[in-house]
Amino acid sequence: EIVLTQSPGTLSLSPGERATLSCRASQSVSSSYLAWYQQKPGQAPRLLIYGASSRATGIPDRFSGSGSGTDFTLTISRLEPEDFAVYYCQQGLTFGQGTKVEIK
Amino acid sequence: QVQLQESGPGLVKPSETLSLTCAVSGYSISSGYYWGWIRQPPGKGLEWIGSIYHSGSTYYNPSLKSRVTISVDTSKNQFSLKLSSVTAADTAVYYCARQWELLHRPWFDPWGQGTLVTVSS
Repeated sequence: EIVLTQSPGTLSLSPGERATLSCRASQSVSSSYLAWYQQKPGQAPRLLIYGASSRATGIPDRFSGSGSGTDFTLTISRLEPEDFAVYYCQQGLTFGQGTKVEIK
Repeated sequence: QVQLQESGPGLVKPSETLSLTCAVSGYSISSGYYWGWIRQPPGKGLEWIGSIYHSGSTYYNPSLKSRVTISVDTSKNQFSLKLSSVTAADTAVYYCARQWELLHRPWFDPWGQGTLVTVSS
């Protein structure tokens, strides 16, 4: 079973700053199977990125995904107020534990 | 626009069976895709419970497999979850979602709004 480890657990940043979130797999995985979600309090997760680097419909281009093998990254180029949320990666049928992006 | 809506009891007693239904609108389940259930205990992360293909083939999380049944009713355009012998550890928000493929494109989109199920006597 593949384990996904997200880091950091919490990221404290200011609006306008760049956010870099990491998702590390316990063994090499196909980038085609990697997705990222955003979840705001009281809401369902929303698909952001699929296939490691493709943005889902309606997702702003400040969100980007990259990586291969065991290391994947979600980057938010300039944080907007609505971007402060919890982010999860998914590979196959396994989710990471999440990274909370909070306002500094 | 595809929309999903979960429904079912918000409170279930220990040892009983949790039953939820997900109504799909804007898309016919029989046309394709997988349809999945995911849960999230309060303050915790996401756990895949299981998925069903439009044909009725089912796939379950091994850790829950002995207690889970997912079924589909194409005439009502909905699919359902049953989780037996529940305990307090099954207290969670339960989401239904459309899944692109089971393994090769396993992402979920869109999701229902979720429904909180509490297991308590």
